[in-house]
Amino acid sequence: DTGVSQDPRHKITKRGQNVTFRCDPISEHNRLYWYRQTLGQGPEFLTYFQNEAQLEKSRLLSDRFSAERPKGSFSTLEIQRTEQGDSAMYLCASSFSGSGNTIYFGEGSWLTVV
Amino acid sequence: QKEVEQDPGPLSVPEGAIVSLNCTYSNSAFQYFMWYRQYSRKGPELLMYTYSSGNKEDGRFTAQVDKSSKYISLFIRDSQPSDSATYLCAMSDGSGGSNYKLTFGKGTLLTVNP
Repeated sequence: DTGVSQDPRHKITKRGQNVTFRCDPISEHNRLYWYRQTLGQGPEFLTYFQNEAQLEKSRLLSDRFSAERPKGSFSTLEIQRTEQGDSAMYLCASSFSGSGNTIYFGEGSWLTVV
Repeated sequence: QKEVEQDPGPLSVPEGAIVSLNCTYSNSAFQYFMWYRQYSRKGPELLMYTYSSGNKEDGRFTAQVDKSSKYISLFIRDSQPSDSATYLCAMSDGSGGSNYKLTFGKGTLLTVNP
C-alpha cells in the first residue's frame, strides 16, 4: 500500500494523558498536512509542512498541540494534557507541489478521551 | 454564516437514480474545488478536482462550478449501493501559490438502496 499511513488507528486515553500520532506520507510527496474531524463535521485544517518546515498553524492548534516533521519524511502530532474536547479523528494528508497539489488523505487516527 | 454550506441530508435514493449534491460558499477568493467521498470511519477519498468555473466529467461523476453564483455541484449517474457514503465538498483560495488549506462542508450522507 503506497497511500498515506497513520498510526495508531484508534486510541483511547484518560483525560490529562499525552498522546502521539504518526503519519507516513506518500513517499514522493513534499507537503504534509494535519486536519481534525469531529462527528457530523467536515475536516478542519490544523497545520502544514513543506519538507521539514512547518509553514502554517491554525488557531485551532492550541499550545497543547505540537507537530513535527523531522527530515521532511514522517510526521508526528502530539497532544499534551488531553481534554474530552480533543476527541476527534486526526487526519494526515500529503501532496506533491509539482502535480497540481492534489491532496490525499490517510485513514485517520481516532482519539477518544475519557 | 459558515464559509461553506452543505446540506447534511441524509439523502436516500434507489439504485440507478441520478444524485445531485450541492454546496454554496461565501468566499469569492475560492478557486479550487474538490469533492471527496468518505466511508464510515475512513479517511476522505478524492473524487473530483476542478479549477475555477466549468464542468468536469469522470465516469459516472460530473462536477460543476458556478463561481458567479458561488455554487458547486456533484452529479452521480446510475447510482450504485457502493456509492453509499458521505460526500464532502472542499475548496481553497490557492493563497501563497498553494491550495493546501482546504475548507470543507459538513458533508452529505448518501444512501443508495438496492
